[in-house]
Amino acid sequence: GAVVSQHPSWVICKSGTSVKIECRSLDFQATTMFWYRQFPKQSLMLMATSNEGSKATYEQGVEKDKFLINHASLTLSTLTVTSAHPEDSSFYICSARDIHSTNEKLFFGSGTQLSVL
Amino acid sequence: SQQGEEDPQALSIQEGENATMNCSYKTSINNLQWYRQNSGRGLVHLILIRSNEREKHSGRLRVTLDTSKKSSSLLITASRAADTASYFCATDPGGFKTIFGAGTRLFVKA
Repeated sequence: GAVVSQHPSWVICKSGTSVKIECRSLDFQATTMFWYRQFPKQSLMLMATSNEGSKATYEQGVEKDKFLINHASLTLSTLTVTSAHPEDSSFYICSARDIHSTNEKLFFGSGTQLSVL
Repeated sequence: SQQGEEDPQALSIQEGENATMNCSYKTSINNLQWYRQNSGRGLVHLILIRSNEREKHSGRLRVTLDTSKKSSSLLITASRAADTASYFCATDPGGFKTIFGAGTRLFVKA
């Protein structure tokens, strides 16, 4: 099946620093990738839809200047948490669809646990 | 915003028993999907049911969809300890998004 690689798996950073998370589709092309945030024992909250070659579409309440998304190729999207603060600590997950497949299912990365000290 | 609400929030059963989880949603949908998440990991797709389907099976999984009630259920038969995970329903309300429900945490005791 299709594989989405996400890294790093976990990162600890100091408050005020920026953190970049990568999401790669390894064996398929994805014009659209999705970034989710998940707090402990809660559901996934869609943050933004990342579109290859164009600007990301952010959900209401998500700061675009805080969470920078770049989708420069059909296999790579990055999420940069800028000037991270402790309240940004969370589990971030990306997902993607195969553009050549008629199946609507999403393939997920394994997630990144961000801890901001 | 969250589309689906699931119940129960948590479910604890013995190995071999069946587990039933329910999901309700608010808007019209093109399809409904169920995903599984092991602790601290990404999600794995289990099954998709389209809006014109009422029931679907995949191995020990059985999914039903009632669009008139805007609800779906996931049944796992003959559960195993390895089925312990969180289960999420997800809907496609259009606009190419997938919106997840609150999830049910299933614990299967060996």
